[in-house]
Amino acid sequence: GIQVEQSPPDLILQEGANSTLRCNFSDSVNNLQWFHQNPWGQLINLFYIPSGTKQNGRLSATTVATERYSLLYISSSQTTDSGVYFCAARGGSQGNLIFGKGTKLSVKP
Amino acid sequence: NAGVTQTPKFQVLKTGQSMTLQCAQDMNHEYMSWYRQDPGMGLRLIHYSVGAGITDQGEVPNGYNVSRSTTEDFPLRLLSAAPSQTSVYFCASSPQGAGELFFGEGSRLTVL
Repeated sequence: GIQVEQSPPDLILQEGANSTLRCNFSDSVNNLQWFHQNPWGQLINLFYIPSGTKQNGRLSATTVATERYSLLYISSSQTTDSGVYFCAARGGSQGNLIFGKGTKLSVKP
Repeated sequence: NAGVTQTPKFQVLKTGQSMTLQCAQDMNHEYMSWYRQDPGMGLRLIHYSVGAGITDQGEVPNGYNVSRSTTEDFPLRLLSAAPSQTSVYFCASSPQGAGELFFGEGSRLTVL
């Protein structure tokens, strides 16, 4: 099945800094999602982005399906952005959503 | 609109006990699934269903049973709990397998 790798595994930022999180996947996908798991454990949908670019406030995401990667951009980071960011991908008609191991982001005041 | 609802949120079991984690969604989604999350492992798929009456195994199905008698409900059963099943469990649903997946708030299970 499809494999999903995220980098970096850990990231520490000062409040106000920008960051880029990367997700590589091993096969063509028909679903790619980014989630934020907050400190309370909730999984928050950020983007559903099997291809193209989307923006939502300070966050944006780009998926280049032909090159098998997706990027999540966080601009002007805030302490509330802290948590774990997961990328998940699904390939094929019978595949399921497979998760990467996440990027743990800590934003310091 | 409640979305995906899981109960209970917390549960402590003794080894060998059985229990059922409940999952319900009110979005008329065909696809439902259960994941477990362990430290450093991300989320791993346990079982999934593409519609009422249809279930299949995911990456880590051993020790778990599921059924899908209605579109709305997808319970996860532990028949004889083991300490290795201590984890946080998430239920999720989507309009179809390739659609955007939405998660419940999770159920934290501890097996002593």
